[in-house]
Amino acid sequence: KQEVTQIPAALSVPEGENLVLNCSFTDSAIYNLQWFRQDPGKGLTSLLLIQSSQREQTSGRLNASLDKSSGRSTLYIAASQPGDSATYLCAVMQRTSGSRLTFGEGTQLTVNP
Amino acid sequence: NAGVTQTPKFRVLKTGQSMTLLCAQDMNHEYMYWYRQDPGMGLRLIHYSVGEGTTAKGEVPDGYNVSRLKKQNFLLGLESAAPSQTSVYFCASSYLGRWSSYNSPLHFGNGTRLTVT
Repeated sequence: KQEVTQIPAALSVPEGENLVLNCSFTDSAIYNLQWFRQDPGKGLTSLLLIQSSQREQTSGRLNASLDKSSGRSTLYIAASQPGDSATYLCAVMQRTSGSRLTFGEGTQLTVNP
Repeated sequence: NAGVTQTPKFRVLKTGQSMTLLCAQDMNHEYMYWYRQDPGMGLRLIHYSVGEGTTAKGEVPDGYNVSRLKKQNFLLGLESAAPSQTSVYFCASSYLGRWSSYNSPLHFGNGTRLTVT
């Protein structure tokens, strides 16, 4: 059974700092890994998707990497802003029927002005 | 485009009552999913569908039923609600390429907050 772990569970940083969120998974037979953002009381918003054949994806100040062999991904946020405060979740889509996503429990990020 | 729309947004049920949650997507996605989100448990897959007329069980299917009569709609039913079904329910959809590794990210609705007393 696929297990996804995110460390740390919570992180508080001052504005402007660069930071890294970590995600690990146990089964490397995946289609892709996705990073999401969730604001309080809201649904999930897709940030980045890395296909199994890719090593990284970038969008603006965000960069996500994938090391499938070691079962790890990182989300790098450059020059953090208070508006980045949210819960960040990673999820892996498995190569099984229905291509289900298995989610980590998320990292709650607070960026202080 | 509205994306993924869930109705209702909030609902309070008494134990034993039934209800249906509706999810509609306008992106012509083949795959649709129902998740529940609980503190300390993360997001867990209830049921999913890989196309019109098909459904399959996810991680926590007991106490729920689903139907996908039209490609754009995915219904989640609770036949006899229990307090353990108090949760936030999210619907999501995605496109998955048949012959390649290309796939689209999941698109989520804003959730339905259900309380069972």
